[in-house]
Amino acid sequence: DTGVSQDPRHKITKRGQNVTFRCDPISEHNRLYWYRQTLGQGPEFLTYFQNEAQLEKSRLLSDRFSAERPKGSFSTLEIQRTEQGDSAMYLCASSLGLGGPGYGYTFGSGTRLTVV
Amino acid sequence: AQTVTQSQPEMSVQEAETVTLSCTYDTSESDYYLFWYKQPPSRQMILVIRQEAYKQQNATENRFSVNFQKAAKSFSLKISDSQLGDAAMYFCAYNKWSNDMRFGAGTRLTVKP
Repeated sequence: DTGVSQDPRHKITKRGQNVTFRCDPISEHNRLYWYRQTLGQGPEFLTYFQNEAQLEKSRLLSDRFSAERPKGSFSTLEIQRTEQGDSAMYLCASSLGLGGPGYGYTFGSGTRLTVV
Repeated sequence: AQTVTQSQPEMSVQEAETVTLSCTYDTSESDYYLFWYKQPPSRQMILVIRQEAYKQQNATENRFSVNFQKAAKSFSLKISDSQLGDAAMYFCAYNKWSNDMRFGAGTRLTVKP
């Protein structure tokens, strides 16, 4: 297992286009998280899955954002009708739920989105 | 809501010396977890050290140690014998229920040779 993988690493898109990112968590981790990180800021929580169930969504996740984790393994994050304000690093992380909150998350390298 | 504050946007340290990064947080909970994460340029975030709030003993991981002051809601990171590879953004984070880790804005650490 090589850790949490995210694809693509970079994405440049024109305003108004749809984009989709993929995250492959550590295989035995049942919890998966999406965060957004803008320049000079810490990561901000977007949403989280336990297995295939999306259990929490942040207010930051507008109607243009949707996330799925269909089989409880990989996850996708789609942004429709992108806006320049969506430009950010999108981070995926996973954790073993049974390990409890004290074990922290394992992060992927992120997908950097630039909307032009 | 829990908030995490890192008041030092940038810090620098001479190689082989010691540096302390500050973090304060706000919570009404008594049991929770605190973390320091390191994010090197263009690389993924990695966990440096963790602290359980119900443990009074400060966590230590090799050259990294914390000063956890629960009453003051302070959680600073001390890096001893700083190395060039320690240069990175450092984020302090708080977690209670494991589904919504909260991060500070980060401190950029520069290590001078």
